[in-house]
Amino acid sequence: KQEVTQIPAALSVPEGENLVLNCSFTDSAIYNLQWFRQDPGKGLTSLLLIQSSQREQTSGRLNASLDKSSGRSTLYIAASQPGDSATYLCAVRLIYSGGSNYKLTFGKGTLLTVNP
Amino acid sequence: DTAVSQTPKYLVTQMGNDKSIKCEQNLGHDTMYWYKQDSKKFLKIMFSYNNKELIINETVPNRFSPKSPDKAHLNLHINSLELGDSAVYFCASSPGEGPNTGELFFGEGSRLTVL
Repeated sequence: KQEVTQIPAALSVPEGENLVLNCSFTDSAIYNLQWFRQDPGKGLTSLLLIQSSQREQTSGRLNASLDKSSGRSTLYIAASQPGDSATYLCAVRLIYSGGSNYKLTFGKGTLLTVNP
Repeated sequence: DTAVSQTPKYLVTQMGNDKSIKCEQNLGHDTMYWYKQDSKKFLKIMFSYNNKELIINETVPNRFSPKSPDKAHLNLHINSLELGDSAVYFCASSPGEGPNTGELFFGEGSRLTVL
């Protein structure tokens, strides 16, 4: 059974700081890994998708890495801004095995606060 | 706008009632999902449909019945609502092919409160 852990559970940083959010998963036979952000009372917004054959993806100030062998992914946020404050969720999709390919397993998220 | 849209956004109802939440996606995706986010904000899959066929049913009580009339719609009907059903229910969809295969796109959520 896939388990996804995100550390830290909460993080508070001053504006402008670079930061790293961590995600670890127990089953390395993954199809892809996806990072989301969730603002209070809102749905999830997809930030980055890393397929199993990729090692990293970049979008603007965000960079996500994937190391399948160690079961880890990191989300790097450069020059953080107050608007980055949200909960960041990591989700992993297993390689097809019956219905498993259609299921994302989510971590519990990291609540990020960027202080002006 | 292209999106995953679900209605209603808020639903307050009495215990024992039956209610439905509707979801539509105009992204042309093959696969749709229902997720439940509990009070601790933990997201857990309930159902997944691929081209109108049920793929995943994650030990959800049979009071919950999804219905997919076509691949762009996945509705969730809940019978005999219980207090523990209070949560935010998210609909999502994903493409079945191409470079973004499996990337999930979420709706805004439907907050259900059972009194």
